[in-house]
Amino acid sequence: GAGVSQSPSNKVTEKGKDVELRCDPISGHTALYWYRQSLGQGLEFLIYFQGNSAPDKSGLPSDRFSAERTGGSVSTLTIQRTQQEDSAVYLCASSQTGLYSNQPQHFGDGTRLSIL
Amino acid sequence: EDQVTQSPEALRLQEGESSSLNCSYTVSGLRGLFWYRQDPGKGPEFLFTLYSAGEEKEKERLKATLTKKESFLHITAPKPEDSATYLCAVLLSGSARQLTFGSGTQLTVLP
Repeated sequence: GAGVSQSPSNKVTEKGKDVELRCDPISGHTALYWYRQSLGQGLEFLIYFQGNSAPDKSGLPSDRFSAERTGGSVSTLTIQRTQQEDSAVYLCASSQTGLYSNQPQHFGDGTRLSIL
Repeated sequence: EDQVTQSPEALRLQEGESSSLNCSYTVSGLRGLFWYRQDPGKGPEFLFTLYSAGEEKEKERLKATLTKKESFLHITAPKPEDSATYLCAVLLSGSARQLTFGSGTQLTVLP
């Protein structure tokens, strides 16, 4: 079956612009996660959605970052007034899970964001 | 503070030369440890989940083991196609569901 799909695969934008990154999780997966991977760094958690529950936003680095998930499926990560330090690969993952499940997270190939 | 440390940062092997990658963790309340493989320009690909000390999982040339403080990913007779970055991540107890990742080991297998 189809895996996690992310778009665009690459995004180049000017400092100060807003960007939207999209994630289509695996069908039937109730949990969705956003991570950020900077060059030479480990993956950094950003936000987690589980079903209709309020999202866990504890990893968002500033109020310029926000995310939503519509209809329990597609998610959009928005970065407002982008800064050069926002340049990274943004990865989305989904899992077939309840809150306390140990099911593995399956990742998309990411969006490579470059801020000029 | 919860930490996940992987070593070595990079490893070069000749084809057929077996070795092990290490993932050590200092966390309270481990619910699971995950190994992923990441190829350049791709997202991490799930390999194994380990839940308790003493557990082992195998897949082709890879075997993952877990103790109370660390996990090893053993690679037996590696091939060039095993070249990738191997990531480990831990899932902690409590309400949080996000994974805490190590920085990875970049493995290169030379023909």
